[in-house]
Order: sequence, then C-alpha cells, then structure tokens
Amino acid sequence: ETGVTQSPTHLIKTRGQQVTLRCSSQSGHNTVSWYQQALGQGPQFIFQYYREEENGRGNFPPRFSGLQFPNYSSELNVNALELDDSALYLCASSLDRGGLSYEQYFGPGTRLTVT
Amino acid sequence: AQSVSQHNHHVILSEAASLELGCNYSYGGTVNLFWYVQYPGQHLQLLLKYFSGDPLVKGIKGFEAEFIKSKFSFNLRKPSVQWSDTAEYFCAVTGGVAAGNKLTFGGGTRVLVKP
Repeated sequence: ETGVTQSPTHLIKTRGQQVTLRCSSQSGHNTVSWYQQALGQGPQFIFQYYREEENGRGNFPPRFSGLQFPNYSSELNVNALELDDSALYLCASSLDRGGLSYEQYFGPGTRLTVT
Repeated sequence: AQSVSQHNHHVILSEAASLELGCNYSYGGTVNLFWYVQYPGQHLQLLLKYFSGDPLVKGIKGFEAEFIKSKFSFNLRKPSVQWSDTAEYFCAVTGGVAAGNKLTFGGGTRVLVKP
C-alpha cells in the first residue's frame, strides 16, 4: 500500500453528465498527478498539480479539469462525459524537491463507466 | 515528445524460467526511468527506478534493469520467475523539469507464469 487513496472505487455515469473523482496524497507529498488508463493500455498523463496550480497537462480537452487543495489532496472533474471516457483513473502523488519530482506512488484508481 | 515502446504485449513462461522484458524510449534529454508492476486486482507499484549512476539497477522481488543509453533501452530482467510474478509490467519515463515531470508509459506487457 502506498498511502494514496481514491474515491469512489467504481462509478457509473450517463453520457453528458459530469463527474468528480477524489484523491488523497501520501503523507509528506506535495504533488499530485492524474492518469487515464483505458482497457489494455498504459496510463496516459492528464495533468499534474503542485502548490494548488496546474503544473503540466497532457493531450486532454478542457472538459478535464482539476483542483489541488492546501492539504495537497486533489479532485479530477470531467464535464460532458463521453463513452470514450470510460477508463480507470489513477492518481499518483510525489514529492517535488527543487523543481524536480521523482518517483510517483499510485492509488488504487477509480473505475468510471460511461453508458 | 516522449514515447515508450514495450516490445512484447504478452509473455507466457513456466516457473523458474528467466524473464526479460524489452523497453525502448525516445527522448533526447536526460531521463528518469521506471518499471511499474500491476498485479491482478492491485494498484500500480514501483518495481525499480533509474536516475543516474550505475546503469544496472536492482529493484524489489529480485528484479533488475539495465539502462543502455546508446540504445535508449531499459530492459527488465528476472533470473527465475515465480507464479506470483504473474502481472502486467509497465515501463515509464520522465524527462525532468522540461517535460513537466509527467510519466510517459509504454503499453504494458502481460506476463503469465504457469505453475
């Protein structure tokens, strides 16, 4: 276990709806990254948050947005859900030291199904 | 842009056989390299990492990996596998501050160890 927790574990939503996923980072970590893992594929980087600001973004549309809170926990919001958004959403926390963050520790993920 | 290629999608082998999983990356700058493992029903776990120094890196559970800079490779090895090594293995790379410290993953290799 890494100490990174995510909620909920599973979620079923309808196309067009909005969803919020939550992540609590490991104690002592200040950076949270979000990844999308489609079935049979490797995780794809969505974005990273450091000191409550977005610090890098992957190739995902603006309807994917996030927040980081003062306690370093984070939320991932997805608006206007599409069928292709069905995936495992992974949160990873790490410690950023002097502008470089090293190993990332992953939570168990939230399985999102869009029908 | 960074990319990671894992040559084998599926590997089936018997207990006590040796395992080698290939990983190649494309990125021109300094890289940090990782292997993660995802056991059935469990979250992604860090197996080993390379930042600098000795290119032969030893990780947990008897795994090791060798960084060959001239070949842009970071292959994972284990001399003798066990049934419990059945899992999906992911190679990943970060390119440091310039690349936003995001992890770029390969597509993964599913390893099945037959008892």
